Amino acid sequence: EAGVVQSPRYKIIEKKQPVAFWCNPISGHNTLYWYRQNLGQGPELLIRYENEEAVDDSQLPKDRFSAERLKGVDSTLKIQPAELGDSAVYLCASSLGTSGRYTDTQYFGPGTRLTVL
Amino acid sequence: DAKTTQPTSMDCAEGRAANLPCNHSTISGNEYVYWYRQIHSQGPQYIIHGLKNNETNEMASLIITEDRKSSTLILPHATLRDTAVYYCIVRPNSVNTGTASKLTFGTGTRLQVTL
Repeated sequence: EAGVVQSPRYKIIEKKQPVAFWCNPISGHNTLYWYRQNLGQGPELLIRYENEEAVDDSQLPKDRFSAERLKGVDSTLKIQPAELGDSAVYLCASSLGTSGRYTDTQYFGPGTRLTVL
Repeated sequence: DAKTTQPTSMDCAEGRAANLPCNHSTISGNEYVYWYRQIHSQGPQYIIHGLKNNETNEMASLIITEDRKSSTLILPHATLRDTAVYYCIVRPNSVNTGTASKLTFGTGTRLQVTL
């Protein structure tokens, strides 16, 4: 079974340019997460989707970041415009998301390493 | 969320058991202990989780103290491929699936397995 797929794996852009990351979760997983991981730190949650609904986006910088999961399957995270401080690894994760399951294990993709020059 | 404390780094000889400790003294009664690891340039990988009983799977064993204030992840026969950052996470457990789903990562323990 395929895991979480992300693309691109690496992206280098100049500041003020837009960038987009794509994620395809594990088949059948209803919940999708985007995390950001700064160098030397653990991942931090940006947004969580239950099917196509964003149910936790409190940590998403909404002035420049946006995300969508239109059909409740794959998802896109966008930054416009990018700033130097956005350089990080952007990770996507998915889980079954069955309501009432307290041990809903998250499975991560390989991430996209963004470098903003 | 209950916080966890882990050593910054550890070394282990290949073939020996790697014992990674984690303190979570403020854990509440229905919070789970999760372990993930992250190999260089890869996403975090789920290892194991537990509530109060010891758990074992094909990757590792998880030993949780009786008072649940600490736990130890055991890799029984470490190999070079086990070199990674290991994260101990206490996961909120609530009827609200929003809080139940959140994983709060710290900085983890960097395990170096050597020949």
